[in-house]
Amino acid sequence: GAVVSQHPSRVICKSGTSVKIECRSLDFQATTMFWYRQFPKKSLMLMATSNEGSKATYEQGVEKDKFLINHASLTLSTLTVTSAHPEDSSFYICSANPPGTHEQYFGPGTRLTVT
Amino acid sequence: QQQVKQSPQSLIVQKGGISIINCAYENTAFDYFPWYQQFPGKGPALLIAIRPDVSEKKEGRFTISFNKSAKQFSLHIMDSQPGDSATYFCAATVNQGGKLIFGQGTELSVKP
Repeated sequence: GAVVSQHPSRVICKSGTSVKIECRSLDFQATTMFWYRQFPKKSLMLMATSNEGSKATYEQGVEKDKFLINHASLTLSTLTVTSAHPEDSSFYICSANPPGTHEQYFGPGTRLTVT
Repeated sequence: QQQVKQSPQSLIVQKGGISIINCAYENTAFDYFPWYQQFPGKGPALLIAIRPDVSEKKEGRFTISFNKSAKQFSLHIMDSQPGDSATYFCAATVNQGGKLIFGQGTELSVKP
């Protein structure tokens, strides 16, 4: 299957700081990428759809000023958690579809801990 | 109407047994139904998927059964192994490249 990578795999930051998570499609171009958040033993919650060259589409209840998404190229989307607080601690996962397919592939996830 | 309901929440199966996880949906516009396997601390991995024009799809020990009229689909894991112990998610989507609607997840434990 197609490969999606994320960096970093784990990050610890202090409350009030910002942290950036990268999502890359390694062997295909993706005009759309998705960002999810997952709490322990819970399902994936879609946060936003990242669109290359245009603004991201956020799901209801997700603060767009807090979770900044940039999709600057066809292989890279970034999620920046601004002014992080302990409640932002979570597992963040991105995904993407190879062009013209239904199959959606996920990155390995990023564990964010805010102290 | 956008929900996908998954059951059971957790499942314990003996090695060699059959694991069965069920999902139900309401939106008849869904046209692609994947199953994902997720190990702790990892991203979900695409396991197997089906389109509504097919009633069954088999890949190795994994089979999806699809009942369009009942709006239900299920994952069967034959000859379950301890290495299959993971959380399984069903999902559905409407368009190519569109967002997935996930079920609640099933935590499978296969006992040796």
